[in-house]
Amino acid sequence: ETGVTQTPRHLVMGMTNKKSLKCEQHLGHNAMYWYKQSAKKPLELMFVYNFKEQTENNSVPSRFSPECPNSSHLFLHLHTLQPEDSALYLCASSQVTSGRWGGELFFGEGSRLTVL
Amino acid sequence: GQNIDQPTEMTATEGAIVQINCTYQTSGFNGLFWYQQHAGEAPTFLSYNVLDGLEEKGRFSSFLSRSKGYSYLLLKELQMKDSASYLCAVRGGATNKLIFGTGTLLAVQP
Repeated sequence: ETGVTQTPRHLVMGMTNKKSLKCEQHLGHNAMYWYKQSAKKPLELMFVYNFKEQTENNSVPSRFSPECPNSSHLFLHLHTLQPEDSALYLCASSQVTSGRWGGELFFGEGSRLTVL
Repeated sequence: GQNIDQPTEMTATEGAIVQINCTYQTSGFNGLFWYQQHAGEAPTFLSYNVLDGLEEKGRFSSFLSRSKGYSYLLLKELQMKDSASYLCAVRGGATNKLIFGTGTLLAVQP
């Protein structure tokens, strides 16, 4: 079983649909992240959760709504998206320690989203 | 703010050595990471540098100069499986975020 699992791997949705992306980590980590990866662009940090509490919202539009019910699960709820939101959405986890290095990130394989 | 620059694409020959450069600007630097990402797969951690100098790990080495805001990833004895995107990332700034560059797509040719 892989360390970080994302479902679905591929999702096609219309602009009026509501869907959710799911992420589960089996590594016992205490921090989880959502990143957006678009072609020719850097990985964009969207949200950070430490111990289930949101600690970072990187000016993400409200049509993206994260949910972290526990340290192992992370969701990204999607509604009224735009075609420019089509991208690969990557979930990651890490073990946050007292050090400033923040721990290495372990990524899932991503959910490829297409908005029609 | 934070800014990271790395070349978009590079090509190298199997068995050769290739150096991928990364320059960055950030406040409150807390380390530089290199990740490898094969097409359609998750990024995987390669290295972490927080002090100046060279860190060697098998065929891969990573160098950091904090005064110059510069790092490179050195890949030796290139293999076809090394064809991938190499992502430079820096942790720093007011909230200690991990920010990524656009990645360098490396193509290894026979």
